[in-house]
Amino acid sequence: EADIYQTPRYLVIGTGKKITLECSQTMGHDKMYWYQQDPGMELHLIHYSYGVNSTEKGDLSSESTVSRIRTEHFPLTLESARPSHTSQYLCASSGGQGNQPQHFGDGTRLSIL
Amino acid sequence: AQKVTQAQTEISVVEKEDVTLDCVYETRDTTYYLFWYKQPPSGELVFLIRRNSFDEQNEISGRYSWNFQKSTSSFNFTITASQVVDSAVYFCALSQAWGAQKLVFGQGTRLTINP
Repeated sequence: EADIYQTPRYLVIGTGKKITLECSQTMGHDKMYWYQQDPGMELHLIHYSYGVNSTEKGDLSSESTVSRIRTEHFPLTLESARPSHTSQYLCASSGGQGNQPQHFGDGTRLSIL
Repeated sequence: AQKVTQAQTEISVVEKEDVTLDCVYETRDTTYYLFWYKQPPSGELVFLIRRNSFDEQNEISGRYSWNFQKSTSSFNFTITASQVVDSAVYFCALSQAWGAQKLVFGQGTRLTINP
């Protein structure tokens, strides 16, 4: 079973602040993903990575940025938070051959005041 | 483009009833993967099943069963003898078999099991 950790679990912060959401996995998975989910709604992919130094934008446009300097770490950054960024952010990873399932972290519930 | 539709927004049943969650998908790919995930109130996504497009065998795991029908592009999920702990939002998802294997999710079905 994949171990994937997200911090913080909850964050309430004011407009204009810089925010970094952390995501780490201990399984050595090459692929990692960030999804955004509004309450009660479907998940939308905002960023993904094939491996170290690889990052791509997802299907939903996002003002956030990501980096992948180490295999296990895939942080997401918002340079200047706005109320429209209020949402849940879920990180996932997958690895191995044959389209293995993505394993998800517990998510970060972000509220921008 | 890939698309997943879960037409049932909310379902509410009494405990011990059987319930089926519908999932219909669209894709131009001949090879693809289908998934079901469970999202309890705590918010995390729990993987339930993966099925590739060449394997149309139905699968049973305890009280859970899945019916994959390529002819109708459907991948339905049935819970037999439902329990209160089954209450959650259930998502069906589709991914390509190559590349980044990004997941495209349906809108989710909120299932409430009443005691």
